[in-house]
Amino acid sequence: QVQLHESGPGLVKPSGTLSLTCGVSGDSVDNTKWWTWVRQSPEKGLEWIGEIYYNGGANYNPSLRSRVTISVDKSRNHFSLKLTSVTAADSAVYYCARRDFLASSLESWGQGTQVIVSS
Amino acid sequence: QSVLTQPPSVSGAPGQRLTISCTGSTSNVGPDSHVHWYQHIPGRAPRLLIHDDTNRPSGVPDRFSGSKSGTSASLAITGLQADDEATYYCQSYDSSLRHYVFGAGTEVTVL
Repeated sequence: QVQLHESGPGLVKPSGTLSLTCGVSGDSVDNTKWWTWVRQSPEKGLEWIGEIYYNGGANYNPSLRSRVTISVDKSRNHFSLKLTSVTAADSAVYYCARRDFLASSLESWGQGTQVIVSS
Repeated sequence: QSVLTQPPSVSGAPGQRLTISCTGSTSNVGPDSHVHWYQHIPGRAPRLLIHDDTNRPSGVPDRFSGSKSGTSASLAITGLQADDEATYYCQSYDSSLRHYVFGAGTEVTVL
């Protein structure tokens, strides 16, 4: 049973960079899965941010593409999210999730981590 | 405003049957798109309930079922139980927007 766990600062200053990590247990980020980030805010609801494949190929939400980077670290069995130039609108609960290679559903999720953008 | 439209809330008595609708367009709920449903209880990880319109992952009770017709999908819960209280989200891929989209969620209350 895969388990995903988000970690990172809960408070980020405006114009700064939001950095989160998703630790993976019970699976390897080197498997043929898509490793995904989703966020949830009261204003926008659930919003798909992007995903990365085990070989480093990535897809991003067009509305966030200019600010987002998702990377995978096979040695630590985790994947990461970086979101630059953050504003208050980026305050949300951030979830990591796993998608099977041939599926479009998110089969496993982490519990989420709250990030607030504030000075 | 979400691309997929869900009712904000539904309620029912224990044992009753509830349905939650998810309405979209041909670019996200149609013959070439699959709709998925998630259950989310605050503080917990969201749980995949239904994938590819009608399929239940292993471990999901058969009280939960999914259907799709035209540009609308539905989640049905039969034999409603107290621990079904949660928010339910639909999700699909939008071929026009070129990314995954979610409904705004439907809060289920068991009376």
